[in-house]
Amino acid sequence: GENVEQHPSTLSVQEGDSAVIKCTYSDSASNYFPWYKQELGKRPQLIIDIRSNVGEKKDQRIAVTLNKTAKHFSLHITETQPEDSAVYFCAARTEMEYGNKLVFGAGTILRVKS
Amino acid sequence: DAGVIQSPRHEVTEMGQEVTLRCKPISGHNSLFWYRQTMMRGLELLIYFNNNVPIDDSGMPEDRFSAKMPNASFSTLKIQPSEPRDSAVYFCASTVSRYEQFFGPGTRLTVL
Repeated sequence: GENVEQHPSTLSVQEGDSAVIKCTYSDSASNYFPWYKQELGKRPQLIIDIRSNVGEKKDQRIAVTLNKTAKHFSLHITETQPEDSAVYFCAARTEMEYGNKLVFGAGTILRVKS
Repeated sequence: DAGVIQSPRHEVTEMGQEVTLRCKPISGHNSLFWYRQTMMRGLELLIYFNNNVPIDDSGMPEDRFSAKMPNASFSTLKIQPSEPRDSAVYFCASTVSRYEQFFGPGTRLTVL
């Protein structure tokens, strides 16, 4: 089955700097890669996603890149702000005959220091 | 839309007791997922349903765990008997498409 590895497990950056989180996946058939943000005590919420037919996608200060050949994808946050502090999860979707499921990475704790 | 609704939000019980967690997916969504989140194991998929039918329950840890979805608007996750190592946050999520999953607020379970 699919396996998703995420690095780093923790990341501290100064406010205004960029943050990059990287994930690799194992199943070459996976075709959808979302990123979720989870604030302390809250539910995971989708912040950006990318499909396998696209190499890059941007939404204001966040962007995701996908390299299908290498089977890795990355989240880029520019001009970080204290409210970006949270746990970020990457995921890959495996399509099955009767449904689809997401396999999540272990998460990255991002701390933005002001 | 109220989003995915879970109850209770917090549950404290004693080892050996039965625990039932409830989930109401977003109206019109046809897939429902139960996840467990702990510091040690992260976010684990326990089971998911498509059109009320269990599709993959390979993540259910033991026979003590069971899940049902009697109709499109309701699902339960039951633990019987509960053990301290079951303490975790349990999330329910639903989706209408093959893409974004919407998570509920979670149930924080503490088994003493």
